Amino acid sequence: GESVGLHLPTLSVQEGDNSIINCAYSNSASDYFIWYKQESGKGPQFIIDIRSNMDKRQGQRVTVLLNKTVKHLSLQIAATQPGDSAVYFCAGAGFFQKLVFGTGTRLLVSP
Amino acid sequence: GAGVSQTPSNKVTEKGKYVELRCDPISGHTALYWYRQSLGQGPEFLIYFQGTGAADDSGLPNDRFFAVRPEGSVSTLKIQRTERGDSAVYLCASSPGQGYGYTFGSGTRLTVV
Repeated sequence: GESVGLHLPTLSVQEGDNSIINCAYSNSASDYFIWYKQESGKGPQFIIDIRSNMDKRQGQRVTVLLNKTVKHLSLQIAATQPGDSAVYFCAGAGFFQKLVFGTGTRLLVSP
Repeated sequence: GAGVSQTPSNKVTEKGKYVELRCDPISGHTALYWYRQSLGQGPEFLIYFQGTGAADDSGLPNDRFFAVRPEGSVSTLKIQRTERGDSAVYLCASSPGQGYGYTFGSGTRLTVV
């Protein structure tokens, strides 16, 4: 079946470093991908999205890269801050299809 | 409203009881999704509504789970004969319906004792 998974369960970085969180997906029909940030006790918060006709998209301090050839996407966070500490999920969907989530990566930012 | 609203935020119920969880989506969003999230896991899809109809209910674990959206806005997730394994955070999301712009609520934490 389709799946979206993450390579690393926990990523620890120092404040000010750049963070890279990776994600693999298996469903070739997925054409839309989202990165979410989830803090304890809260629902997933949208960070950035990308469609399959793009390979890179930038937001404020965040960049998502999509490699359709190897079915891989990554989230890059520049100048990571303690407030970025959270669990990050990638999710993928086909048109009018449900989002499928991975299990998440916990980002720990040390001051 | 400005965001997706879910009530109650917390629900504790006894094993075997019936519960209803409510989701109030963003005004105008035609698509509504229910997910279930266990501790340390990503959200797991339950059911998706496009308007009033369930477009995909393949994630409902068994016939104790049922959801409705009678007027194409508010949705209610209903769980009969609750079991301890139903304990989780139940998340609702809505979108304009074109396969983008999903916004999640804060969830209802259900605890079955």
